[in-house]
Amino acid sequence: AQTVTQSQPEMSVQEAETVTLSCTYDTSESDYYLFWYKQPPSRQMILVIRQEAYKQQNATENRFSVNFQKAAKSFSLKISDSQLGDAAMYFCAYRSVGGGGADGLTFGKGTHLIIQP
Amino acid sequence: DGGITQSPKYLFRKEGQNVTLSCEQNLNHDAMYWYRQDPGQGLRLIYYSQIVNDFQKGDIAEGYSVSREKKESFPLTVTSAQKNPTAFYLCASSIRWGSSYNEQFFGPGTRLTVL
Repeated sequence: AQTVTQSQPEMSVQEAETVTLSCTYDTSESDYYLFWYKQPPSRQMILVIRQEAYKQQNATENRFSVNFQKAAKSFSLKISDSQLGDAAMYFCAYRSVGGGGADGLTFGKGTHLIIQP
Repeated sequence: DGGITQSPKYLFRKEGQNVTLSCEQNLNHDAMYWYRQDPGQGLRLIYYSQIVNDFQKGDIAEGYSVSREKKESFPLTVTSAQKNPTAFYLCASSIRWGSSYNEQFFGPGTRLTVL
């Protein structure tokens, strides 16, 4: 079974600064998907960014980018120019590519991101 | 507007009672999922359904049951066999199972409290 580990329960950053959230995972599969989800106080889960394991290029979505290190099984999220609206819980998640086995996402325990004005 | 709705937003249950959480989607998605979230924990998969009239157990299915009679609906029943049902429950859907279009869209959640 796959596991996802987020080693930072809480992070704090000054507004407009850059912050990196860590995520490591364990899998024996060679092809899979990785995600970062944001959960603000409303508790609505919002997809931030997605990475396909077969793609070497790191995914980028505006101020959000990832550092995907497949050999190290590491998938960190970098938030540039942090804004007050970025304050939330951030979850790293893993999903197998289809073709058998359980469907659904495997989540880490989350990192609580605080933005200091 | 397309999306996923969950009802009710808050639900209270007495011990020993079964309760059903509603999840409806109008995104025409094939796959639907139920997750449970506890404080300080990530989401854990309870059940999932890839097509109508079929569903599979996730990691923590004990004490829960589901049905998938319609494509747009995937209700979750929390039975009296679930020893610690107080939690936040999230429903999700994706366009199809095993597809590259595999983003899961989430509903707003239901907070269940056992009194």
